[in-house]
Amino acid sequence: AQKVTQAQTEISVVEKEDVTLDCVYETRDTTYYLFWYKQPPSGELVFLIRRNSFDEQNEISGRYSWNFQKSTSSFNFTITASQVVDSAVYFCALSDMNTGNQFYFGTGTSLTVIP
Amino acid sequence: DAGVTQSPTHLIKTRGQQVTLRCSPKSGHDTVSWYQQALGQGPQFIFQYYEEEERQRGNFPDRFSGHQFPNYSSELNVNALLLGDSALYLCASSRGGIQETQYFGPGTRLLVL
Repeated sequence: AQKVTQAQTEISVVEKEDVTLDCVYETRDTTYYLFWYKQPPSGELVFLIRRNSFDEQNEISGRYSWNFQKSTSSFNFTITASQVVDSAVYFCALSDMNTGNQFYFGTGTSLTVIP
Repeated sequence: DAGVTQSPTHLIKTRGQQVTLRCSPKSGHDTVSWYQQALGQGPQFIFQYYEEEERQRGNFPDRFSGHQFPNYSSELNVNALLLGDSALYLCASSRGGIQETQYFGPGTRLLVL
């Protein structure tokens, strides 16, 4: 069965601190994709990154970085030098060959950056 | 380049009524997926439309139905509304391939009284 766990329900940090959002996934497939989305209060899910199961290279995009470790089935997301605009709910999602086009989302982590 | 658009933005209905939500995909996308997001939860997959047919369906009752038009836009219909149908309904579009990135619209907030 496919499952995505985001154990951190809410996180608060002070501006300029670094913060890591955890994501643990379960799948029996060897081919799968992982995603991160940001959901600001407006409600629209904003795509951040897509990673396939064969690419374990870590990725950095500005203040954002992602650490993919198949050995621990984790795909963690780090924001460096957080800013107030980073305040949102962040979702990790999984899509594998068995589920095809269906995305499985975690329950999200609500991040509050305090000025 | 217009993103995914949805209408209406908000809707209030009473139990037993029927509702239709609309979605226009991002330019160049031919696949539309619908998700239900209850308060404090992650989105739950309802179904996906491709080439005007339902390609895949999540664990939702038949009260939830949909349609895709030749211009790739889509509708989500929910019959016999229940209080539990109150949620944010998100539409996502993508290109036809499996596991392609899905881009989401702003959603329709449905309240059932």
